[in-house]
Amino acid sequence: EVQLLESGGGLVQPGGSLRLSCAASRLTLNNYAMSWVRQAPGKGLEWVSVISGSGGSTSYADSVKGRFTISRDNSKNTLYLQMNSLRAEDTAVYYCAKMEGAAISSEFFEHWGQGTLVTVSS
Amino acid sequence: DIQMTQSPSSLSASVGDRVTITCRTSQSISIYLNWYQQKPGKAPKLLIFAASSLQSGVPSRFSGSGSGTDFTLTISSLQPEDFATYYCQQGYSSPLTFGGGTKVEIK
Repeated sequence: EVQLLESGGGLVQPGGSLRLSCAASRLTLNNYAMSWVRQAPGKGLEWVSVISGSGGSTSYADSVKGRFTISRDNSKNTLYLQMNSLRAEDTAVYYCAKMEGAAISSEFFEHWGQGTLVTVSS
Repeated sequence: DIQMTQSPSSLSASVGDRVTITCRTSQSISIYLNWYQQKPGKAPKLLIFAASSLQSGVPSRFSGSGSGTDFTLTISSLQPEDFATYYCQQGYSSPLTFGGGTKVEIK
């Protein structure tokens, strides 16, 4: 069974930076697009970003565009999310999710990690 | 962006009940509609993709239907492990968007 394990969350001050990682096992990551989806405390799900299987294409939600960068290292089977200029409203559990296809136009989130909590507060 | 409206936002039901959750989209999305189940403190889990296709390993009491702008998730006979929050999600266009969720509680 596919396993996705996020790490890197924690408490950061407004304006600060954090890098999240998502390590995949029992899966060849470069065959699939990968996304980050977040969930603010007590709220619903919000898609954040997607990267194609090759890493050549990316897309971002307007709420994070210009501040967050998604990347991947297929040789390490790992996905990343670099988060800069963090705001209080970025506080959420961040999930990595495997898409069903390799393109950034993939349609649904087939497998999810357990999530990592990011708290932006002074 | 495509807006997703789920109803009801919550419901109370008993074990064995038939439960139906509705999702409406702000524009036609053909059958590019997916459903997820989320239990407290856990990650979402894919139940249904492409409006009516059951994900591998998901019990057959879950079913989905609809096309265009109106979709439903049906649980034919509610089981204790089905008490959770359910989300719809459109895969038609970027950004991928989710409904607000339907919390299914024990009556």
